[in-house]
Amino acid sequence: GAVVSQHPSWVICKSGTSVKIECRSLDFQATTMFWYRQFPKQSLMLMATSNEGSKATYEQGVEKDKFLINHASLTLSTLTVTSAHPEDSSFYICCVPGQGADTQYFGPGTRLTVL
Amino acid sequence: KNQVEQSPQSLIILEGKNCTLQCNYTVSPFSNLRWYKQDTGRGPVSLTIMTFSENTKSNGRYTATLDADTKQSSLHITASQLSDSASYICVVSAGGSQGNLIFGKGTKLSVKP
Repeated sequence: GAVVSQHPSWVICKSGTSVKIECRSLDFQATTMFWYRQFPKQSLMLMATSNEGSKATYEQGVEKDKFLINHASLTLSTLTVTSAHPEDSSFYICCVPGQGADTQYFGPGTRLTVL
Repeated sequence: KNQVEQSPQSLIILEGKNCTLQCNYTVSPFSNLRWYKQDTGRGPVSLTIMTFSENTKSNGRYTATLDADTKQSSLHITASQLSDSASYICVVSAGGSQGNLIFGKGTKLSVKP
């Protein structure tokens, strides 16, 4: 199966700074990747769809200027949380669709803590 | 409104015992139902996926059932092990885009020695 990696696995930053999270598909090329956010004891919530070669599409209520997504290559998508605030503290997980229908592989997640 | 509700919210069992987790959903249209295991601080890992016509599917000690008429699913874990301690998430797909995946909040299972 596909292997998806994320970097960093955890990060602590000061309020107002920007943080970049990388998602890599190690086994195959992905024209699309998905970014999720998960607050404690809550469901995973889809934030945006990262598209290689074009702009990301954001879910309703997600600020595109705050969460910058760049799908730099067929194996790499990055999520940058700009001017982070404590309420942005969460677990960010990327997801890569597999080659089979309804097949998806989630990354290990990145724990962001904003002080 | 599309919703997926799981019960119980948390569960503690002794190693070697069986347990059953529940998932009720109101999602339309229905494409498939998935169960994921999410270890603490990790991403979800797929256990099973069932379409409308499937009413049971096994993956080792995990057996999922689906009743599409009552819109209920269960995940049965047999002979639990300490490594089964995790959150188990029920996800229902309404088909089409990724945004049509409806996630439950999960059941947190703790297996004690």
